[in-house]
Amino acid sequence: QLLLTQSPSASASLGASVKLTCTLSSGHSNYAIAWHQQQPEKGPRFLMKVNSDGSHSKGDGIPDRFSGSSSGAERYLTISSLQSDDEADYYCQTWGGGIRVFGGGTKLTVL
Amino acid sequence: EVQLVESGGDLVQPGGSLRLSCAASGFTFSTYEMNWVRQAPGKGLEWVSYISGSGSTKFYADSVKGRFAISRDNAKNSLYLQINSLRAEDTAVYYCARVNYYDSGDQFDYWGQGTLVTVSA
Repeated sequence: QLLLTQSPSASASLGASVKLTCTLSSGHSNYAIAWHQQQPEKGPRFLMKVNSDGSHSKGDGIPDRFSGSSSGAERYLTISSLQSDDEADYYCQTWGGGIRVFGGGTKLTVL
Repeated sequence: EVQLVESGGDLVQPGGSLRLSCAASGFTFSTYEMNWVRQAPGKGLEWVSYISGSGSTKFYADSVKGRFAISRDNAKNSLYLQINSLRAEDTAVYYCARVNYYDSGDQFDYWGQGTLVTVSA
């Protein structure tokens, strides 16, 4: 079964970097995923697609502070030079056959 | 500028029906596959349904199969979700989301701001 697993929460200090992880279920380690950001009381925003080889393609207007990478079944979102408005929920998303799947989301707190 | 604007959310009694709409602008709507995604209060994102650009292919999450129907009118640049036999657990903000076209993969590259459906007696 195609599933995505995310840690429920993460925190990092203003100006620091943070790396969020999304793990693909067994047998799906070659799948690409997408990262989406949802700030409080707003709709989600597409950040980037991350491929199994670690290459990534960003959405319109996404700053260079956001980057993606991969290792095995894990897909990462790294945010550097954290700003206060990076405090948000981050969701990974993938797709296969007739279904689309979201991870449970990671709530990022900027200290 | 790409815009997706949902409407049609309301307070509905259990067992009732509702039709949600998503008005698209800023791109050639018929070219793009579209989806509905929902978010229950305080919960994460849940994919609901997919439709191809022509409307000929549709997929549904198991949780809504048989009760929800996705459709589109490319002449009106609009996406729809007919939701029937509403249950309390269908209470959520419903988002429409566009699937990217130029890159490989089915990632959602634009989202609307959502419309709230509340199911309560």
